[in-house]
Amino acid sequence: KNQVEQSPQSLIILEGKNCTLQCNYTVSPFSNLRWYKQDTGRGPVSLTIMTFSENTKSNGRYTATLDADTKQSSLHITASQLSDSASYICVVSDRGSTLGRLYFGRGTQLTVWP
Amino acid sequence: EADIYQTPRYLVIGTGKKITLECSQTMGHDKMYWYQQDPGMELHLIHYSYGVNSTEKGDLSSESTVSRIRTEHFPLTLESARPSHTSQYLCASGGDSSYNSPLHFGNGTRLTVT
Repeated sequence: KNQVEQSPQSLIILEGKNCTLQCNYTVSPFSNLRWYKQDTGRGPVSLTIMTFSENTKSNGRYTATLDADTKQSSLHITASQLSDSASYICVVSDRGSTLGRLYFGRGTQLTVWP
Repeated sequence: EADIYQTPRYLVIGTGKKITLECSQTMGHDKMYWYQQDPGMELHLIHYSYGVNSTEKGDLSSESTVSRIRTEHFPLTLESARPSHTSQYLCASGGDSSYNSPLHFGNGTRLTVT
């Protein structure tokens, strides 16, 4: 069964600190992996998209890594800000159909304290 | 920044009522989706559309229906609301046929059925 598992389920850090969120997946065949940020009461917003051949991709203070061999990805947040408080969702797409089916993780709830 | 709009944002309605959740996008995307999201859980696909006059059921069994008469409009209808329909409903659209095209989400409709 194709799955996407994220850890930790929740995380609290102090403003200015760094953190790393994890995503493990079993989706096969693999097409791409996406990280989304979802603020409370809002829809998810895309942060990064990585294909099989990409190991690292950055978007400002967000850096995603991908190891397609071990089927693991991480999202590193540098110098956290209060506005980083949100749920971070890992989404993996397969190549099984023209639609590119998406598999969603349950998200990591990040809280940044002042 | 969202170019995809959902109305209403919040809806409280009694059991047995018929409701329509509206979703519109101004990006000209062919593909549109409806997801259901419960707290702490992954998004579940309930309907999707490749384009005008094309609609398909998703993974999650749903008593809702959708229509796609215009590219920009993808409403979801519940003929008879039940308390089990209480959830957050997210509409999304994705542009081209590339697997790497990100989904753009609306801010959701939070539905409560009493």
